[in-house]
Amino acid sequence: EAQVTQNPRYLITVTGKKLTVTCSQNMNHEYMSWYRQDPGLGLRQIYYSMNVEVTDKGDVPEGYKVSRKEKRNFPLILESPSPNQTSLYFCASSFRDSPTGELFFGEGSRLTVL
Amino acid sequence: RKEVEQDPGPFNVPEGATVAFNCTYSNSASQSFFWYRQDCRKEPKLLMSVYSSGNEDGRFTAQLNRASQYISLLIRDSKLSDSATYLCVVNTAGSYQLTFGKGTKLSVIP
Repeated sequence: EAQVTQNPRYLITVTGKKLTVTCSQNMNHEYMSWYRQDPGLGLRQIYYSMNVEVTDKGDVPEGYKVSRKEKRNFPLILESPSPNQTSLYFCASSFRDSPTGELFFGEGSRLTVL
Repeated sequence: RKEVEQDPGPFNVPEGATVAFNCTYSNSASQSFFWYRQDCRKEPKLLMSVYSSGNEDGRFTAQLNRASQYISLLIRDSKLSDSATYLCVVNTAGSYQLTFGKGTKLSVIP
């Protein structure tokens, strides 16, 4: 089954404790991206990657890191989480030249930073 | 002016009603337009692309007005299952980035 898988789905952590949210897709997509979604603010892009070893900042990259060592994986790293990073996070992927513009999203990771 | 703007709603409509959402975009270079649907606490999913000539998929009709820089989504004969948030999404020429509106919430009530 074609899918984007994120883990963990739910996480409660404390300020300053490093964490990684993994994202994996099995569709051979070149493009992968991370979004956060907050009430009243909609979906905002954190980082994206057009291919292996190519990553770029989105609209809200501060406090986050990413890496793209393999085509299928695009982990999101919070080196020192803070309460303002409490949010619902989505990973998404697509073919880089997708004519339909369809992004495939993971089910989301709800993060709470205390 | 925000890049993609939508009326947040909520739109509360009875079953069987026709409802329309509009979305405006600020970048005249935008070339690709989409509507995504997001159920509560779920991931967004592509509902339909929006073509220059307008397009229809069952009860859903999408239209694009380039001159006024807006797109619309019309839902006919609303079903309870149509209750969701509808996201307007725009892609700008020369960029692969998709810009999401904040969404319009629809509640279809019995």
